Parts: sequence; structure tokens; C-alpha cells
Amino acid sequence: GAVVSQHPSRVICKSGTSVKIECRSLDFQATTMFWYRQFPKQSLMLMATSNEGSKATYEQGVEKDKFLINHASLTLSTLTVTSAHPEDSSFYICSASGYRVGDEQYFGPGTRLTVT
Amino acid sequence: GIQVEQSPPDLILQEGANSTLRCNFSDSVNNLQWFHQNPWGQLINLFYIPSGTKQNGRLSATTVATERYSLLYISSSQTTDSGVYFCAVESNQAGTALIFGKGTTLSVSS
Repeated sequence: GAVVSQHPSRVICKSGTSVKIECRSLDFQATTMFWYRQFPKQSLMLMATSNEGSKATYEQGVEKDKFLINHASLTLSTLTVTSAHPEDSSFYICSASGYRVGDEQYFGPGTRLTVT
Repeated sequence: GIQVEQSPPDLILQEGANSTLRCNFSDSVNNLQWFHQNPWGQLINLFYIPSGTKQNGRLSATTVATERYSLLYISSSQTTDSGVYFCAVESNQAGTALIFGKGTTLSVSS
């Protein structure tokens, strides 16, 4: 199947700083990418939908000014956590899909963010 | 929005036993996928199965879209099967994102 990478896999930052997470589709073009957050022993919760060349769509309760998403090309989406706080510590996972509704989605390996 | 319910929430098995995990969803779907999340958090894509039946080794899955459920069968379970199994669906309501159930935590002991 298709491969999605994320970088970094793990990051520790201090409260108040910003962190950027990259999500890349390595062998296919992804018109749409998704960002999820997973807290310990919970399921994945959709944060936002990222469409190439347009503004991201955020789920209710997700602060768009705090979680900045940029989908500048068909193979790269970035999530920037601005002014991070300890409660932002979580596992962030991206996924990517192709052009058609109902296409299989491929997930990255995740980024574990710890804010101290 | 669409509701995705998985059962059972927890399952404890002896090595060699068989099991069935269930996923119910509340609306018609364009896509349904089963995942196994390993201890490092990586989601392993088991099946892309919006309808029908598929098999891959000891695992098989069936989705009956008209009745809004999917089943994941694990035969001759091994300790390496332990982990969390998620069902996720894409519905017309939610755009093209996958909406996840809460998962089934499987523990297989030797």
C-alpha cells in the first residue's frame, strides 16, 4: 500500500514554544490529508481536514489559531502547534487519501508531543 | 454525525483461541477500514472493506453495508495479536474523513 511519513516521530518542547509536524505522502498525490489527535487509552479524534491549496477545515472545539495547518503541495501537509501548553501533549497522527470519495486512507506513524 | 460502536471493549484470550470483533455504524458509509494499533502507536491497516468479505492469513473481515455492521475475525490468536483494534468509517455526513470507534483492546496470553 501507499506510504505516509511523519516527522518528527517524537518531540519534547517547553511550554510557550511552537512545534511543527510534517506529514508526507511518499508515493502518491494526496489532495486531502487529515490530522487526528489521540490521548492515552482513547480513540483517534479528527482535528482538521487539510485540502491542497485551500484553507483547512477544523472540527468543532479545535482552535484554528492554535493548530495551524498548511497543505502547500500534493505530498506535504504541516501542523504547527503554537504556544504549546502541557495539555497539548498528545499523539498526533496524519492520514492521506487520493482523489475519490471512499478511497482507502493511509496513516502516518504518528508524532508524540510532550510539552513540559 | 455518524456513530461508530465497537464491541466488546475488552477481550482476553488464550493463545490459539478464535475471536470476533464487531463494528456497528449508524449511517451508510463510503469506506470502512479495520486497523490494529501496535504498542508504538502505529496504525496497521488490516482491511479496506466498505462491503463484502476479505481474508488475509488468520484474519478475515465481513461488512454488511445494508445492515450497517462489520465483523473482524481472528483465528488461532497469537500473543502478537494483542493490542487495540479500531474500526473507522467514512460517511457522506463527515466529508471524507474517517471516524473512529472507541476500539477493542485484545490481550492474548500464552
